[in-house]
Amino acid sequence: DADVTQTPRNRITKTGKRIMLECSQTKGHDRMYWYRQDPGLGLRLIYYSFDVKDINKGEISDGYSVSRQAQAKFSLSLESAIPNQTALYFCATSDFRAGGTDTQYFGPGTRLTVL
Amino acid sequence: AQSVTQLGSHVSVSEGALVLLRCNYSSSVPPYLFWYVQYPNQGLQLLLKYTTGATLVKGINGFEAEFKKSETSFHLTKPSAHMSDAAEYFCAVSDRPFYGGSQGNLIFGKGTKLSVKP
Repeated sequence: DADVTQTPRNRITKTGKRIMLECSQTKGHDRMYWYRQDPGLGLRLIYYSFDVKDINKGEISDGYSVSRQAQAKFSLSLESAIPNQTALYFCATSDFRAGGTDTQYFGPGTRLTVL
Repeated sequence: AQSVTQLGSHVSVSEGALVLLRCNYSSSVPPYLFWYVQYPNQGLQLLLKYTTGATLVKGINGFEAEFKKSETSFHLTKPSAHMSDAAEYFCAVSDRPFYGGSQGNLIFGKGTKLSVKP
């Protein structure tokens, strides 16, 4: 079974709709991240969470919000989706407590299309 | 601030040829460096990482990378390319503000797509 899972894997929605992407992990890691990937731009950090009560904005947080419901769950919301939010979204985790090597482990991704 | 530059958005090699993917970083402190691979329709998978110690790091699938502080480089190599190596490769550096610091986010390069010709 995958250590980091994302649901849904694919989603097509319309402009203005509210969308939630979910991430769960069984690795027991304290840190979780949301990235978006666009062709030619690499990965850009949207939000990150060091623990349940510590949420931080990343490079491109405008238009997004997050919720860390538990250590194992981190969801990303698009309050009112727009077409330029069409992208591949990745969740990742890391375990800072275990020596702090900053290695991140990624989920399989969610492909979001906003029409 | 830390940053990563990957030279070449696309690299094409023949099967059996040397693979060389270039990564240069900028960091004011001893860096933690990573290479990740993304196969089509999949998430990112860690190939290898450098934190401290030996500067030549071996990873999975026959890849290795050498940390060269004087050149601020962390190039990825594989002696003989295989068709299954076709993927996108990302270099990343940790954004620790000082050695042993508390931030620990990764800064990614824009990626290099590797094609392998038969």
